Amino acid sequence: QMLLQESGPGLLKPSQTLSLTCSVSGGSINRSNHYWNWIRQTAGKGLEWIGRIYVSGFVKFNPSLKGRVSISADTSKNQFSLNLTSVTAADTAVYYCAVGGGHNAFDIWGPGTLVTVSS
Amino acid sequence: EVVMTQSPATLSVSPGERVTLSCRASESISIDLAWYQQKPGQAPRLLMYGAFSGDTGVPARFSGSGSETEFTLTISELQSEDVATYYCQQYNTWPLTFGGGTKVEI
Repeated sequence: QMLLQESGPGLLKPSQTLSLTCSVSGGSINRSNHYWNWIRQTAGKGLEWIGRIYVSGFVKFNPSLKGRVSISADTSKNQFSLNLTSVTAADTAVYYCAVGGGHNAFDIWGPGTLVTVSS
Repeated sequence: EVVMTQSPATLSVSPGERVTLSCRASESISIDLAWYQQKPGQAPRLLMYGAFSGDTGVPARFSGSGSETEFTLTISELQSEDVATYYCQQYNTWPLTFGGGTKVEI
């Protein structure tokens, strides 16, 4: 069974860059029909899909994040990462990584990590 | 973007009852719909994809139906462990979007 685990700083100041990593075990991120996602959850806006990366390197983002987001993958470490620039209090959320394959839903989720943006 | 609307926001039921949760899409999404269950302090868990296909290990009391813009998740006989918030999510159109959730409580 594949397992995902998010890691990264839990507290940021406004204008800083949020950087999170998702470590994958029990399977390779090089799987051809899988895609690797970042999703966040806030009390106010609920669940929001941030973006996705495919093994080919193709990425897709939610336009609501207005170009602040990038996602990359490190196959040598079996990890993929999220960068979100110029954070504000509105970016305070629990951030999840999740994997899907075949049917386009999110099959397996990491436990999530809380990121707080505060001065 | 496709707006997903779930109703009701909260549902209070008794164990053994049949529970029906609704999800409406602002435009047709065919059957490109998933349902998730989220318990407090946990990540969401995939229950259904393709509107009515149960993920591996999901109890048979959970079933999904619908197409285009109207979808339903049914729990045939509610168990105490089913207390959770349930979310629908469409994957027909970018950006992928979630509904606001229905909280099922006893």
